[in-house]
Amino acid sequence: EADIYQTPRYLVIGTGKKITLECSQTMGHDKMYWYQQDPGMELHLIHYSYGVNSTEKGDLSSESTVSRIRTEHFPLTLESARPSHTSQYLCASSEVVGEKLFFGSGTQLSVL
Amino acid sequence: AQKVTQAQTEISVVEKEDVTLDCVYETRDTTYYLFWYKQPPSGELVFLIRRNSFDEQNEISGRYSWNFQKSTSSFNFTITASQVVDSAVYFCALTAGYSTLTFGKGTMLLVSP
Repeated sequence: EADIYQTPRYLVIGTGKKITLECSQTMGHDKMYWYQQDPGMELHLIHYSYGVNSTEKGDLSSESTVSRIRTEHFPLTLESARPSHTSQYLCASSEVVGEKLFFGSGTQLSVL
Repeated sequence: AQKVTQAQTEISVVEKEDVTLDCVYETRDTTYYLFWYKQPPSGELVFLIRRNSFDEQNEISGRYSWNFQKSTSSFNFTITASQVVDSAVYFCALTAGYSTLTFGKGTMLLVSP
């Protein structure tokens, strides 16, 4: 059973709002990831972190930002949400690179 | 560069049929890891299997089996006697070296009663 949690599960907001999607894990994993999943199912890596104070951009350019101040916490922030940000956001963690990822339940974001 | 191709976008079967989901990968590394994940309608990705490049032995877990063939760079997944609960999106993925996980585009499996 994965011990990785995302909140909120669903979020509907208006254009221009600032939002933060929360992701926490209790497994002590150093590696954490954010994926954006489009309606066509494809998963795109948008941010990852290999440890505290370490963050990197993923394969897909994103207007979001992330921080990693604590091992267990990896929040994602959108300063000004737009309809194009409407998507499913999935957080994941792993103990080491090459090992399986544990995924959270995801946040379905809708920007009106 | 790494690449994972899942050519089947959607597959529909009737319950109790066997179904195979194809996965073809590309990598220049000799050491790599292959994965399959299941994403049911609830949205969470569930890990199914991890296989390293040095272990070509096929694996069976209940109704699930995986066929890894390095000669054709394939890691196919077969569900025997499919059930409605198997309906989900299935992702094949690859990691090599110190790279992040590369996912295929997914195959949606619909099992009807």
